[in-house]
Amino acid sequence: QKEVEQNSGPLSVPEGAIASLNCTYSDRVSQSFFWYRQYSGKSPELIMSIYSNGDKEDGRFTAQLNKASQYVSLLIRDSQPSDSATYLCAVRGDKIIFGKGTRLHILP
Amino acid sequence: DGGITQSPKYLFRKEGQNVTLSCEQNLNHDAMYWYRQDPGQGLRLIYYSQIVNDFQKGDIAEGYSVSREKKESFPLTVTSAQKNPTAFYLCATQETVSYEQYFGPGTRLTVT
Repeated sequence: QKEVEQNSGPLSVPEGAIASLNCTYSDRVSQSFFWYRQYSGKSPELIMSIYSNGDKEDGRFTAQLNKASQYVSLLIRDSQPSDSATYLCAVRGDKIIFGKGTRLHILP
Repeated sequence: DGGITQSPKYLFRKEGQNVTLSCEQNLNHDAMYWYRQDPGQGLRLIYYSQIVNDFQKGDIAEGYSVSREKKESFPLTVTSAQKNPTAFYLCATQETVSYEQYFGPGTRLTVT
């Protein structure tokens, strides 16, 4: 059974600090990795895609991928209260699998 | 204005009734997906379609049916055979090259 694991949280981070969200996956042949943000009652919104080892930065967001360790993370710099949401990790091998998400709470 | 529309936003039905959820897209994506999300749960794949007139069962297809007669449309029917139909239903399209999935706003179905 291919799995994508995330800590459910909640992860509480002070405003202005760095939030670090982690995800591990079991399928070694996975090639595509995605982070989605989902506000309560809303649908998921794509934040970042990453396909190769290393870091990928987009504004305040940085995705980090380590295929050897089967680990992908999302860093949010200068966290804002509007970043409070559930963050879903998705991994694609022969099909896309979503983790259950980590709830992030930014403390004003 | 490109995007994915799902209607209605909220839907209430009595047990034993079939109901059809609409999903329309103008992103020109070939692949479309249906997921359900229950409180505190991840997304579970119901059905997907890679191309018009073709679709495959996902992990939890029992009690659901779909059609894909047009590229733009992928309606989902929740039948009376679905044991626990109350959930948040999400339609998504997928880009061919990047495999990025984009979601519609969702339909929240309540069956009593």
